[in-house]
Amino acid sequence: DTAVSQTPKYLVTQMGNDKSIKCEQNLGHDTMYWYKQDSKKFLKIMFSYNNKELIINETVPNRFSPKSPDKAHLNLHINSLELGDSAVYFCASSQRTGGQETQYFGPGTRLLVL
Amino acid sequence: GNSVTQMEGPVTLSEEAFLTINCTYTATGYPSLFWYVQYPGEGLQLLLKATKADDKGSNKGFEATYRKETTSFHLEKGSVQVSDSAVYFCALSAYSGNTPLVFGKGTRLSVIA
Repeated sequence: DTAVSQTPKYLVTQMGNDKSIKCEQNLGHDTMYWYKQDSKKFLKIMFSYNNKELIINETVPNRFSPKSPDKAHLNLHINSLELGDSAVYFCASSQRTGGQETQYFGPGTRLLVL
Repeated sequence: GNSVTQMEGPVTLSEEAFLTINCTYTATGYPSLFWYVQYPGEGLQLLLKATKADDKGSNKGFEATYRKETTSFHLEKGSVQVSDSAVYFCALSAYSGNTPLVFGKGTRLSVIA
């Protein structure tokens, strides 16, 4: 069973389109994250949700809107896609224990904006 | 703020060579430290972790010791294999509420037969 799954795995789209990436975890964790990995492999946090509540929102354009319908899901919707949004997006989850917890990552969604 | 600095890659080694990837950190309080590995085309997997000073994390022949005095968490392996070729990320999680991982820039390792 996949612990953290993301769909789609690959996403190729035109500039200006709106797209969504879905993430689901079956680990029973209460916290989920979205990270962006750029072309140089640098990973940076975008959002974090704890029990469906947004707790971290880094400097990310308003075009990016996370939605957490329940603790097991954290989806990422992107409006008006731009070329610079091309990256790999990773979802992760953990159980909140004050900083020592291990985060489990999904396989990533490779987004290419043309 | 919290930050992680790891050695620039790429690192190319012959099979059975000794590996060291340096990692130093800056953080307030007592962070937990992690090494994640990303194999080609895959997501990140936890390789090992340490949650307090002098702890040694180990897994699959890799080791790293949490050194508070030098704020370091260097990754080592005595004898690398071709299958170890991947990108290795050092990361920290600050011990204060719900914090995301802060990653280093990653070090690409290529092991040749």
